Amino acid sequence: DVKVTQSSRYLVKRTGEKVFLECVQDMDHENMFWYRQDPGLGLRLIYFSYDVKMKEKGDIPEGYSVSREKKERFSLILESASTNQTSMYLCASRGDRAYGYTFGSGTRLTVV
Amino acid sequence: AQSVTQLGSHVSVSEGALVLLRCNYSSSVPPYLFWYVQYPNQGLQLLLKYTTGATLVKGINGFEAEFKKSETSFHLTKPSAHMSDAAEYFCAVSGGISSYKLIFGSGTRLLVRP
Repeated sequence: DVKVTQSSRYLVKRTGEKVFLECVQDMDHENMFWYRQDPGLGLRLIYFSYDVKMKEKGDIPEGYSVSREKKERFSLILESASTNQTSMYLCASRGDRAYGYTFGSGTRLTVV
Repeated sequence: AQSVTQLGSHVSVSEGALVLLRCNYSSSVPPYLFWYVQYPNQGLQLLLKYTTGATLVKGINGFEAEFKKSETSFHLTKPSAHMSDAAEYFCAVSGGISSYKLIFGSGTRLLVRP
């Protein structure tokens, strides 16, 4: 089975800190995604990557950046964390289109 | 453009009753369709999927869904609800013939009463 591992389940950071959320997949998938999930707003796509060093903005990229230096790792960066970035962050990867996404367990980030 | 509508943000059933979660989609190409389940403070887990072939697909935990092209629907059912089925359920459609993105519905929270 594909495994997508997010480095932290829970994080608490201070306003203004630079925050790194890490995601690693072990099945050589080319496509990786970062979503945030908020009550009543569903899943919103922040960024995705379809190859090493390639990235595209999703629906809500403001305040975020990403890095994909190796195929298996896709990092989400909050350049200067703000309280409105308190959320659940979900990473996913996808290989063949017929197989959908495989999600990580999520990182619940609280910015204080 | 692809889109997904899930009717009912909350559905409540009694234990042992039929579960029916509704999903309608819009797609300009033959769709790939998915149902995911999310337990509290967890990521999403694939329940089942339709790509081609048989329109009635079976998934994990006794769930199944039927692709109905004429109704543009992909409703999720389970004959008998169990307390452990309480979770949030998301329907998704592949975002176009060359897209690797999934388009998600807003989710339906299933409550199971004892």
